[in-house]
This record gives sequence, C-alpha cells and structure tokens, in this order.
Amino acid sequence: EVQLLESGGGLVQPGGSLRLSCAASGFTFSSYAMSWVRQAPGKGLEWVSAISGSGGSTYYADSVKGRFTISRDNSKNTLYLQMNSLRAEDTAVYYCAMLSVVVIAIPGHPFDYWGQGTLVTVSS
Amino acid sequence: EIVMTQSPATLSVSPGERATLSCRASQSVSSNLAWYQQKPGQAPRLLIYGASTRATGIPARFSGSGSGTEFTLTISSLQSEDFAVYYCQQYNNWPLWTFGQGTKVEIK
Repeated sequence: EVQLLESGGGLVQPGGSLRLSCAASGFTFSSYAMSWVRQAPGKGLEWVSAISGSGGSTYYADSVKGRFTISRDNSKNTLYLQMNSLRAEDTAVYYCAMLSVVVIAIPGHPFDYWGQGTLVTVSS
Repeated sequence: EIVMTQSPATLSVSPGERATLSCRASQSVSSNLAWYQQKPGQAPRLLIYGASTRATGIPARFSGSGSGTEFTLTISSLQSEDFAVYYCQQYNNWPLWTFGQGTKVEIK
C-alpha cells in the first residue's frame, strides 16, 4: 500500500524558512517522480514543484521559482521541499504526491497518490 | 498558461440522482485531463485520468468524457460518500499541472 506522510509544517514569520519532508513507503521510491501541491485555506489546488525519480530533473511553478528547492533522498525514501523567503501568500496545506512515471515529460501524468498534507502558516 | 474553468461552482443534487460536472480548457489539452475528488479535511483522490479512464478502485458510477477543450465528469447515481469537491486538472502543456477552481457537489 502506497503511503506518503508529510511533516515539517508550522508557523513561520515572513521572510523565514522551513523544510518539509515526505516519507514514502509501499513502493520503489526511486522509480517514481514526485511532486508538491499546495492548497491555501478554503481555496483550490496549486502545483508547486516536481522532481524526477532520479532527482536529476526538477521543475517549479513561477510563484515559487528561486525561493523553493525540491530534492529527494532515494536511500531514505524521502522527498523534501526547502522553502525560503516565505510570504503570507505561501500559507497553505502542502501535499506530496506520487506520479506513476520515473521521468517527467510532456504530455505529463496525473498525481496517482497523495499524502495527507502539512500546514504551513506564514504570519508575524 | 492553460486556464481550466469548471462549472457550476456548486451543484445541489439529491442522493440517487445523476450529477454532471463540466470542465473547459482555454486551449486544447487533448485527452490529458484528470478528475480528483476531495472531501473535507482529506487529500485529493484521483478518480479519472486520460479524460475517461477510471483510476484503480474507483466505482463504475464515475465516468469521464471529452477531449480537446470540453470535458465532463458524470456521477450516475449519487451516493452519500460522493458529496465532495471535484477538481479537473490538465497535464498536457507547461506548466504541466493546472487545476480548475473546483465544483462542490452538495446534498439537495
């Protein structure tokens, strides 16, 4: 059974940093691309970042490019999102999601499995 | 960027009735369209991909259709557990994943 468990969320001041983690189990982690998707309170879904199975290719939404960094440690079956220069508009529940492909290409692939999310609140 | 527009924003349906949700893309996404269900306090769940293929474990009462710019999700006979928010998502063009704003299916 695929399981994705996010952690690392919390309250942070504007301009601060936070690192989210997503522990994966139930599948061969290195064989699948992964992604982060966020949802602001009461709002819809917004794709944030994605990474190939090897970690060699990364992708970012314009809204976070230059501030967020996605990475993965395939030896630990863990996905990360380093978030710097946080803004109030980054406040959201952050979900990690698995794609059933190893390489991200165009056309792409939907998000097959999702974690339960971790809440990030950016406020002074 | 491809803009996905869902209608209606809210759909009031009685249990056992049919629900039809629409999703329109601002340009063609071929059949690279997915539907997700999200219940309060839960993560989204993949229902349909490739515009019409049900994901693993999804009941047959859920069906998807369409291609290009116009898509439909139909729930043939609403069950109590189907009341939720539904999102469409394109994965055809960069940025690779854009979502509609969601349709809330509520009990009439």
